Amino acid sequence: EPEVTQTPSHQVTQMGQEVILRCVPISNHLYFYWYRQILGQKVEFLVSFYNNEISEKSEIFDDQFSVERPDGSNFTLKIRSTKLEDSAMYFCASSEGWNEQFFGPGTRLTVL
Amino acid sequence: AQSVTQLDSQVPVFEEAPVELRCNYSSSVSVYLFWYVQYPNQGLQLLLKYLSGSTLVKGINGFEAEFNKSQTSFHLRKPSVHISDTAEYFCAVTTGQGAQKLVFGQGTRLTINP
Repeated sequence: EPEVTQTPSHQVTQMGQEVILRCVPISNHLYFYWYRQILGQKVEFLVSFYNNEISEKSEIFDDQFSVERPDGSNFTLKIRSTKLEDSAMYFCASSEGWNEQFFGPGTRLTVL
Repeated sequence: AQSVTQLDSQVPVFEEAPVELRCNYSSSVSVYLFWYVQYPNQGLQLLLKYLSGSTLVKGINGFEAEFNKSQTSFHLRKPSVHISDTAEYFCAVTTGQGAQKLVFGQGTRLTINP
C-alpha cells in the first residue's frame, strides 16, 4: 500500500540554525501539505502546495518558512532560522483531491 | 473560518465497553468531516469520513460516526472497545474544493483499561 514517508524521524538543532524536513508524498497525488503539532496541542495547518506553488498558508507560515518540490518525488519544508517555539512534530500529507489526506509518520523537531 | 471542538480531552473506558467521542464544529459553509487516529509514536490514520449521503458512516476497526447538521456534531462511536484502541483521536473539517486545509480539534485521548 502506498504511503507518505518523512525523513528524518527526529531532528535536533540549535536555535538559529536552518533545518530542512523532507517528505516523499504518494506518487500520483497532486496536493501536498505540512502540518505541525506542538506537544500536547492540536494539529495545526501550515501550508498547502499545488501545481508547484503555495495555494494557502497559515499565519504560522511566516518568512522563516519555505516549501519546495525540488524534483518529481520530494516535498521539503525549510525553516531558515529556528526558534525554540518551532519545536514540534511536523507532519507531511498528500492527497489526490480534497476528500482524503494521507499523513506521514512525522518528524520530531527539537530546537535547543 | 471553521473550528472544531472536541469536548473531552481524555476518555477512560473498560475493555468491551461502548465509547462515544464527541466532536462539534462551527462553519458558515458546508463542511466535510473526518476522524483520524494517532497511535503512540505514529502518524495520523484516517478512521472515517463524511462527504455526503447517509449521515451514518462506518470506518475501520469497527468505528462509526453520525453527522448531525442541526447540532453541528460528528460524534464517533464504537460498541465494544479493545485494548488496541488506545490512541489519540482527532476530529477534523474541511470545506473541500482543491487544496483545502484540514482544521483539527484538540484531540481526545482514549485509554482502554482491562
